[in-house]
Order: sequence, then C-alpha cells, then structure tokens
Amino acid sequence: KQEVTQIPAALSVPEGENLVLNCSFTDSAIYNLQWFRQDPGKGLTSLLLIQSSQREQTSGRLNASLDKSSGRSTLYIAASQPGDSATYLCAVRLNTGNQFYFGTGTSLTVIP
Amino acid sequence: DTEVTQTPKHLVMGMTNKKSLKCEQHMGHRAMYWYKQKAKKPPELMFVYSYEKLSINESVPSRFSPECPNSSLLNLHLHALQPEDSALYLCASSQLGPSYNEQFFGPGTRLTVL
Repeated sequence: KQEVTQIPAALSVPEGENLVLNCSFTDSAIYNLQWFRQDPGKGLTSLLLIQSSQREQTSGRLNASLDKSSGRSTLYIAASQPGDSATYLCAVRLNTGNQFYFGTGTSLTVIP
Repeated sequence: DTEVTQTPKHLVMGMTNKKSLKCEQHMGHRAMYWYKQKAKKPPELMFVYSYEKLSINESVPSRFSPECPNSSLLNLHLHALQPEDSALYLCASSQLGPSYNEQFFGPGTRLTVL
C-alpha cells in the first residue's frame, strides 16, 4: 500500500520568508501528485497537479517539483504571506486504480 | 465551472436518525469520491464511484450507504451512526481515463452525532 509522509508536521515562519514543504511516497509507480491547501474546517483547495511525466509545475508564488525515482515532491512557496497560513496536503495517485493517497499534512503558520 | 457543492454544511443527528448528505458537480467528471476527515488528520477515502458504479469501498461500515443516481450527483445515506462517526465529510470529483484528472473537493459537511 502507498504510504505518503509529509515533513515537517508543523512550520512557523516570519512573513516574507521562502519555504519548502516536503512530501515522500513509498511506491514510485505514480500517475500524478496533487498539492492542496486546507483552511480550518473547510474543504481542500487544489494548488498544483504534477503528472508523472513532469518534473515541476508553477502557479504564481508556488512551485512544485516531482522526483519519482526518489519518491519525493516539494512545494516551494516564495515570499510567504499571513494568508498562506493553512494545512498543506499532498495526494498521490498510483498507475492502477482510481484512489488518491493523502499525506499526513504540514500545518503552516506565517507570522506577520 | 470548477465547483463541487455539498449540502448541508452542518448536520447534527441522533444515533437513531436517518439522514443523507448530498454532493453535486457539473464539470462532466465521471469519478466521484466520499472522504471522512477527523480533526488534524488527512482525509480517509470511503467510497469511489466510476461511471456511476461503485468501484471502491474501503471497508466502510454498512451504516454508511452511498448512492450515485446520475453522473452529477452523489449521496451518502446515514443510519444508526455512532458518536465516533462525527467528522467532516468531503466529496470530490475528477475525470477518468488517461487524462488530466485533477481532483476537486467540495466544502464538506460537518457531521455531529449525539
């Protein structure tokens, strides 16, 4: 079964700092990897989707990279803002089946 | 339109009640999902429907009964729930097949079982 881990579990940074969130997965036969943010008590908002054939995707201040062979993805957030405070989740879909396996999440706090 | 809607937003029910959660999407997606999320935990997959047929049931107790009446709607029927079933229930949808199958989530239904 696919195991997805996110490190760190929690992160607190001052406003303006650049930061990196990590996502590791055990089975490299993935179809794609998706990054989400979740505000407390709310649904998940899709941030970026990386197909298995891609190395990275960018949207605004966000950049996600994928290294299938090492079972890793990173989400880079540039010039962090207090509005970026949320829980960030990665989810992996395998080549077989239609399930998405979620990581354990990173709770981010950006201090003004 | 990239929206998934869920109703109700909040639901409080007793252990003997019968209630239903509703999810709707109009993106033409043919896969729909139910997840359960407890506080400070990632979503746990409950059910997956592909082309309106149940394709994955993650050993969910029978007190949860999913239904997919058509390609836009997904229901979750609840009966004789336990207090530990209190959680945020999330619905999601995605395309199927070898294409760009990004998953889109609804805002969730916060369920409290008394």
